[in-house]
Amino acid sequence: AQTVTQSQPEMSVQEAETVTLSCTYDTSESDYYLFWYKQPPSRQMILVIRQEAYKQQNATENRFSVNFQKAAKSFSLKISDSQLGDAAMYFCAYRTTSGTYKYIFGTGTRLKVLA
Amino acid sequence: KAGVTQTPRYLIKTRGQQVTLSCSPISGHRSVSWYQQTPGQGLQFLFEYFSETQRNKGNFPGRFSGRQFSNSRSEMNVSTLELGDSALYLCASSLDPGKTQYFGPGTRLLVL
Repeated sequence: AQTVTQSQPEMSVQEAETVTLSCTYDTSESDYYLFWYKQPPSRQMILVIRQEAYKQQNATENRFSVNFQKAAKSFSLKISDSQLGDAAMYFCAYRTTSGTYKYIFGTGTRLKVLA
Repeated sequence: KAGVTQTPRYLIKTRGQQVTLSCSPISGHRSVSWYQQTPGQGLQFLFEYFSETQRNKGNFPGRFSGRQFSNSRSEMNVSTLELGDSALYLCASSLDPGKTQYFGPGTRLLVL
């Protein structure tokens, strides 16, 4: 069975600095999708970025980028130039590309941004 | 395009009662999934519906059920509520199974 692990329950970053959130996963499949979702205090879960496992190039969305290490089964999220609005819970998620397409979420990392 | 909407946003029930939550997906999305989010267990998958049929089911007791209508709107029902059912219930929609999910704001259920 697939698992997703976020080992950092909480992280802090100074405004305008860079922070990296860690995520590791376990799977025997070769093709899958990985996601980072953000859940601000308002509770609306927002898709931040997604990565397809067969693509070697790391995904980037503005200030958000990932470091995808397929062999190490690692999928970290880097937030550059952190802003107060980045404060939220961040969830890493895994999804298969066939069959059930079920999403498996990590336990989340709470990011605090300090002014 | 309007996002995923969930009603009601907040709900207070007592043990033994039943509750029905509603989810309207993004226009054109045909797949709806439900999740339970609690501080202790995180996000846990409840079930997924597509074309009015349940495609997947998580590891929850039979008290949790759902359905999907022809317009892709979905409802989930919890019967004989227990204190442990207090949680944020999130609905997510996608164009089809296997496509990226977009979440609604959730329904906060408190069972007293």
